[in-house]
Amino acid sequence: NAGVTQTPKFRILKIGQSMTLQCTQDMNHNYMYWYRQDPGMGLKLIYYSVGAGITDKGEVPNGYNVSRSTTEDFPLRLELAAPSQTSVYFCASRNTEAFFGQGTRLTVV
Amino acid sequence: AQSVTQPDIHITVSEGASLELRCNYSYGATPYLFWYVQSPGQGLQLLLKYFSGDTLVQGIKGFEAEFKRSQSSFNLRKPSVHWSDAAEYFCAVDGGNTGNQFYFGTGTSLTVIP
Repeated sequence: NAGVTQTPKFRILKIGQSMTLQCTQDMNHNYMYWYRQDPGMGLKLIYYSVGAGITDKGEVPNGYNVSRSTTEDFPLRLELAAPSQTSVYFCASRNTEAFFGQGTRLTVV
Repeated sequence: AQSVTQPDIHITVSEGASLELRCNYSYGATPYLFWYVQSPGQGLQLLLKYFSGDTLVQGIKGFEAEFKRSQSSFNLRKPSVHWSDAAEYFCAVDGGNTGNQFYFGTGTSLTVIP
């Protein structure tokens, strides 16, 4: 079972560039989440979705966008990358407990 | 608003010693509670969860946690720590059937010394 798959694993962006972090789950979960993890700060919720076509902001949504056109996919978009977006990003899906991808380490220079 | 507090940023224990990691939550109703572990460079793995019923729950790798409503706590314990338990531990809370968000504490880093 693949579970939650995130791509890419690593990426370096220049300031002002854009990119999409991909997240796919094969467990037919309705709930999906994007978090960012910074040292000593735990995981901060960026956006979440309760089903296809429905998304909502979490704690730190500024600078990000999401879409949920299918149950399986929940991509995270960075439109104008800033150094403050340097972080490790985790996607998760859940029915009861959450299952996590392996993370995307993003550096903005 | 829901919140999760892990008061201990870093804990060091000797191998074979007992371990307790603290977690306090703030929520109006009884939430769903979880403990996750993260090894360096890895994603998060579920250790155990509490939804309802018996307040002492058993998890993987010999971990257990006790839900105490009166103290709004869900502390993680292990009787005898192994060197492989060195990792980051996160407590998480879910609003259950009244909420869709899933919140994490700031984590406790565990170091195990021989």
